[in-house]
Amino acid sequence: KAGVTQTPRYLIKTRGQQVTLSCSPISGHRSVSWYQQTPGQGLQFLFEYFSETQRNKGNFPGRFSGRQFSNSRSEMNVSTLELGDSALYLCASSQGGLSGNTIYFGEGSWLTVV
Amino acid sequence: EDQVTQSPEALRLQEGESSSLNCSYTVSGLRGLFWYRQDPGKGPEFLFTLYSAGEEKEKERLKATLTKKESFLHITAPKPEDSATYLCAVLGAGGTSYGKLTFGQGTILTVHP
Repeated sequence: KAGVTQTPRYLIKTRGQQVTLSCSPISGHRSVSWYQQTPGQGLQFLFEYFSETQRNKGNFPGRFSGRQFSNSRSEMNVSTLELGDSALYLCASSQGGLSGNTIYFGEGSWLTVV
Repeated sequence: EDQVTQSPEALRLQEGESSSLNCSYTVSGLRGLFWYRQDPGKGPEFLFTLYSAGEEKEKERLKATLTKKESFLHITAPKPEDSATYLCAVLGAGGTSYGKLTFGQGTILTVHP
């Protein structure tokens, strides 16, 4: 059974540019959530989608956005990149029910902003 | 707001020297407490989910336990390959917690041969 797949694994962008990251959840999983991981702040929740609807959002500026498609695949977009956006972006998937769901993470996308 | 505190921040053990990692939490209705292992440059690898006080789960040299305020990850006779960062996270039941894991800062475990 394939795990959570994230692409690209590594990318370098320039300040002011925008970036789109992609996530394919485990087959059958309908919930996809995104996290930002930095050495100083640890893992911080960005947003969560279930059946194409955003159910929850973390405390990040509007430059961070996401969406989910009918096949449960998800993308997140960061516009007007800043140096502080350099981080490991992690996608996680689960079945999305109210309880008893294991949450699995992908290997992440390493974003460097220069 | 849900909060998770892990201790110690770093732990150095000799191979075979058993120890425990602590995870203290406050949450508005616990829907699950998760333990993950993270190796450098990789995503978190799922270890355990605990749902209610008194629950215990084991996997190889690892055993996770849960009380109403904290969880412990016990490592028995560790090996160098157990070296990693261990992350604890909670999934709450409150309206603003839905679908959101709140993580601790992690414990960096180093096991020397």
